[in-house]
Amino acid sequence: DAKTTQPTSMDCAEGRAANLPCNHSTISGNEYVYWYRQIHSQGPQYIIHGLKNNETNEMASLIITEDRKSSTLILPHATLRDTAVYYCIVRTDNYGQNFVFGPGTRLSVLP
Amino acid sequence: GAVVSQHPSWVICKSGTSVKIECRSLDFQATTMFWYRQFPKQSLMLMATSNEGSKATYEQGVEKDKFLINHASLTLSTLTVTSAHPEDSSFYICSARKLAGGTDTQYFGPGTRLTVL
Repeated sequence: DAKTTQPTSMDCAEGRAANLPCNHSTISGNEYVYWYRQIHSQGPQYIIHGLKNNETNEMASLIITEDRKSSTLILPHATLRDTAVYYCIVRTDNYGQNFVFGPGTRLSVLP
Repeated sequence: GAVVSQHPSWVICKSGTSVKIECRSLDFQATTMFWYRQFPKQSLMLMATSNEGSKATYEQGVEKDKFLINHASLTLSTLTVTSAHPEDSSFYICSARKLAGGTDTQYFGPGTRLTVL
């Protein structure tokens, strides 16, 4: 079973920031938070991951609360091409452990 | 990032035939690759873990004799759906594990849509 809960769907206006929340209240100390997204009929795309510090890359920012029980993925300036299903996944860094995908959040960026 | 390719991107076959899907890591070596299946409007479900040079590990409920996995090199894993039936029609996605910066990340292929008539 997935260890995360996410809203089923969200809307965001084009050009605005999209903030996607994720709850992972049972996360353990050695588990990372990963975010992927899947555009329709494509394979998932890696976005970002982190352990406890906030992370930023060219695609997004990841904000992890101090108690690590929740996180937020931020797309600073959403475009229509960001419309996708976003998956928040927690897993350890143990070699070979797979990713368990929940239903994710369907983000619709509206013009 | 890292690039993973799959071939073919889509395939239509007759019931009872076998179909092979290739997954390649193009710019990195992957000792571990994963195969997922995704039905319409559902999330990805892991089918098996493929380790280079050894037998694949299958998830519960996945028939290893029906879904043959071979990982003969560090950049190639194949999934063969044997004696395919219409209920095997699905979107098959592979991923390859890349180690970087002290952590590992999985990079996914674009998927293969299989339709069995």
